[in-house]
Amino acid sequence: DAGVIQSPRHEVTEMGQEVTLRCKPISGHDYLFWYRQTMMRGLELLIYFNNNVPIDDSGMPEDRFSAKMPNASFSTLKIQPSEPRDSAVYFCASSFAGSGDTQYFGPGTRLTVL
Amino acid sequence: GESVGLHLPTLSVQEGDNSIINCAYSNSASDYFIWYKQESGKGPQFIIDIRSNMDKRQGQRVTVLLNKTVKHLSLQIAATQPGDSAVYFCAERPGAGSYQLTFGKGTKLSVIP
Repeated sequence: DAGVIQSPRHEVTEMGQEVTLRCKPISGHDYLFWYRQTMMRGLELLIYFNNNVPIDDSGMPEDRFSAKMPNASFSTLKIQPSEPRDSAVYFCASSFAGSGDTQYFGPGTRLTVL
Repeated sequence: GESVGLHLPTLSVQEGDNSIINCAYSNSASDYFIWYKQESGKGPQFIIDIRSNMDKRQGQRVTVLLNKTVKHLSLQIAATQPGDSAVYFCAERPGAGSYQLTFGKGTKLSVIP
């Protein structure tokens, strides 16, 4: 199994630009999670999906953030417009409820907004 | 809101010694706990988990202990190796039916050769 795949691995952009992060969960997993990690706040859950449906987006910082999951094998996290304080590592994780609750994380996308 | 916290932010251990990483949680309704290991530049990697109906679980070189009375979780690593150097996170699930995890801030383990 290839594990959770994220792209790009690194993204550097200027303030005000749109940023799109991508995630491919492990095949067969029915839950997908987006996290943000910073030194100050640690690992924070932004949003999670079950069977492609958003279940809880209370962690999304503000309206500039949006996430979609058009099918079981793909999800995006979009920031528009981006701001320097959005700089962080963004992780995607997936899990399969039928075999336990363990979440498997991708390698992350390091976002730098100048 | 309630959160998961850690007693020690950093821990240095001699290679071959045992390591103990501690975690305090505050949500008495949490029913599932996980330890993750995160190496530099990588995503968190599952190590071991434990459900609230257990007080101990063992894996390969790792043991997790759960003390629900004092809301304390610990990860024991036997015969610590240089490859164990990483940041370790505990995470809790706030009750059955929830698939969300709340993560602690992490403890950095440094293994001295």
